[in-house]
Amino acid sequence: GENVEQHPSTLSVQEGDSAVIKCTYSDSASNYFPWYKQELGKGPQLIIDIRSNVGEKKDQRIAVTLNKTAKHFSLHITETQPEDSAVYFCAASMGTGRRALTFGSGTRLQVQP
Amino acid sequence: EPEVTQTPSHQVTQMGQEVILRCVPISNHLYFYWYRQILGQKVEFLVSFYNNEISEKSEIFDDQFSVERPDGSNFTLKIRSTKLEDSAMYFCASSAAGGSGYTFGSGTRLTVV
Repeated sequence: GENVEQHPSTLSVQEGDSAVIKCTYSDSASNYFPWYKQELGKGPQLIIDIRSNVGEKKDQRIAVTLNKTAKHFSLHITETQPEDSAVYFCAASMGTGRRALTFGSGTRLQVQP
Repeated sequence: EPEVTQTPSHQVTQMGQEVILRCVPISNHLYFYWYRQILGQKVEFLVSFYNNEISEKSEIFDDQFSVERPDGSNFTLKIRSTKLEDSAMYFCASSAAGGSGYTFGSGTRLTVV
């Protein structure tokens, strides 16, 4: 089955700096890659997703890049703010929102004011 | 914004007891899921449900687990005889037919004592 590796496990940045979280996946059949933000005591919240026919997607301060050949994808957050502090999960699946998601192990992002 | 609602938010049960976790998915969504997250670990897929039947399940989802959509709005996860290792956060999620991505609920924290 699919295996998703995520790095780093923790990331501390100064407010205003950029943060990058990287994931690799194992199954070349995966074609949907969402990113979730999880705040304490809450469920994962979708922040951005990308499909395999796209190499990059941006939404304001958040961007995701996908390299299908290398089987890795990354989350980029620019101009970080304290409210960006949370645990971020990458995931992969073989369907756009219909199939089981395989999650990475999560990255705890701490933005220092 | 539409939400996935889960009840209860926290449940404590004795080992060997049956528990039912309840979810109300987003009303126009057709795919329903249960995931779990053991404290400090990654989110793991349990089961997906479509058209009143299980469409996919993981190795975790053994004979102790069952799901049901008893009416047009609720989606339940039953654990027949709970074990200590069932202690986790259980998340319900739903997605639309068009593959717009999952929406997760806030979770039910299950503690088996």
